[in-house]
Amino acid sequence: EVQLVESGGGLVEPGKSLTLSCAASGFTFKNAWMSWVRQAPGKGLEWVGRIKAKSAGGTTDYAAPVRARFAISRDDSKDTLYLHMSSLKTDDTAVYYCTTVYGGSYCLDYWGLGTLVTVSS
Amino acid sequence: SYVLTQPPSVSVAPGKTASIPCGGNNIGSKGVNWYQQKPDQAPVLVIYYNTDRPSGIPERISGSYSGNAATLTISRVEAGDEADYYCQVWDSSTNHLIFGGGTKLTVL
Repeated sequence: EVQLVESGGGLVEPGKSLTLSCAASGFTFKNAWMSWVRQAPGKGLEWVGRIKAKSAGGTTDYAAPVRARFAISRDDSKDTLYLHMSSLKTDDTAVYYCTTVYGGSYCLDYWGLGTLVTVSS
Repeated sequence: SYVLTQPPSVSVAPGKTASIPCGGNNIGSKGVNWYQQKPDQAPVLVIYYNTDRPSGIPERISGSYSGNAATLTISRVEAGDEADYYCQVWDSSTNHLIFGGGTKLTVL
């Protein structure tokens, strides 16, 4: 059974940094393309970024609002995905979901339960 | 940048058919995915690549597309179908994943 478990969320002050983790199990993580999606309170889904499998180059792409501040990385030896967030803003307050990415249509076929990040002073 | 347009809300009586549209330029060529999100839950993939259903998704949920519009259709609607539904594509010209704004399905 595929499982994605996010952790690391919490309350953080504007301008500070935070790193989220996503522990994966039930599939071959090193072959998976992975993504982060966020959802601000009461709002819709917003894509944050994606990382390819190392076999596909391990490259990343990011949404414009986070490109200069967030970075996605992976540790295939630990089956873990990371989201490194810096210069956090109040607008970054959201539930952050870790997902797998599948197929030519880039569907997000498995999702974690999410972790809440609150940026506030 | 590529935009997906969804109506904020759709209402349907139990047992009837709900159609949720998603508009975008030449949308079918991109391969549309659909997600269902119930309150306080993570989204669930219900349709991928325009018309395909993941295992475990009932056959009364289907996807279609024509021209600049894709549609999620839910037949014989039940109270448990009440949720937010999002369409999504990958824009290869910008390497960005795009979500529609979401449609709240209300079962009357």
